[in-house]
Amino acid sequence: EAGVAQSPRYKIIEKRQSVAFWCNPISGHATLYWYQQILGQGPKLLIQFQNNGVVDDSQLPKDRFSAERLKGVDSTLKIQPAKLEDSAVYLCASRQTGTTDTQYFGPGTRLTVL
Amino acid sequence: GNSVTQMEGPVTLSEEAFLTINCTYTATGYPSLFWYVQYPGEGLQLLLKATKADDKGSNKGFEATYRKETTSFHLEKGSVQVSDSAVYFCALPLFYGGSQGNLIFGKGTKLSVKP
Repeated sequence: EAGVAQSPRYKIIEKRQSVAFWCNPISGHATLYWYQQILGQGPKLLIQFQNNGVVDDSQLPKDRFSAERLKGVDSTLKIQPAKLEDSAVYLCASRQTGTTDTQYFGPGTRLTVL
Repeated sequence: GNSVTQMEGPVTLSEEAFLTINCTYTATGYPSLFWYVQYPGEGLQLLLKATKADDKGSNKGFEATYRKETTSFHLEKGSVQVSDSAVYFCALPLFYGGSQGNLIFGKGTKLSVKP
């Protein structure tokens, strides 16, 4: 079974530029999460989707971050414009709703904002 | 919401030493508890979990027991290997009950094992 796929793995941009990350969850997983992991800290949830609907986006900085999961499968997370403090690893995770409470994580995208 | 406090590192051990990483939590009800591991350059992997009080989760020689009386879920391994070098995160759901959603994570404990 293929795991959670993310791309790109690394991205370097300058502040005020925009960037987008892509995630493809495990096949059949209805729930998808985006986390931000700042160096030396644990991951923090940005947004949770159930199919193509948003369940929780209370910690998403909506003035600059946006995310979508239009067809209920893959998802994109966008930052526009980026700030220095957005430098972090962005992790995508998915879960098979109803049968398990385990989240499966992708390898992450390491973003550096200069 | 719930919260978790995890022993901060880094922790450096020699191969075959005994490992304990402390984790305590504050929670409403009795949520599932998790340990995730992050190897260098990789995403998080579930190491083990426990779903109710007194449950013991175990995997790859690691163990953790869900202790409601001390609100703890300490990670232990009797004999660590160089390949165990990684960052370990304790986690639990932010809110108890219903479908599991937002996980909250401790700050992580970096373990380095020397040959």
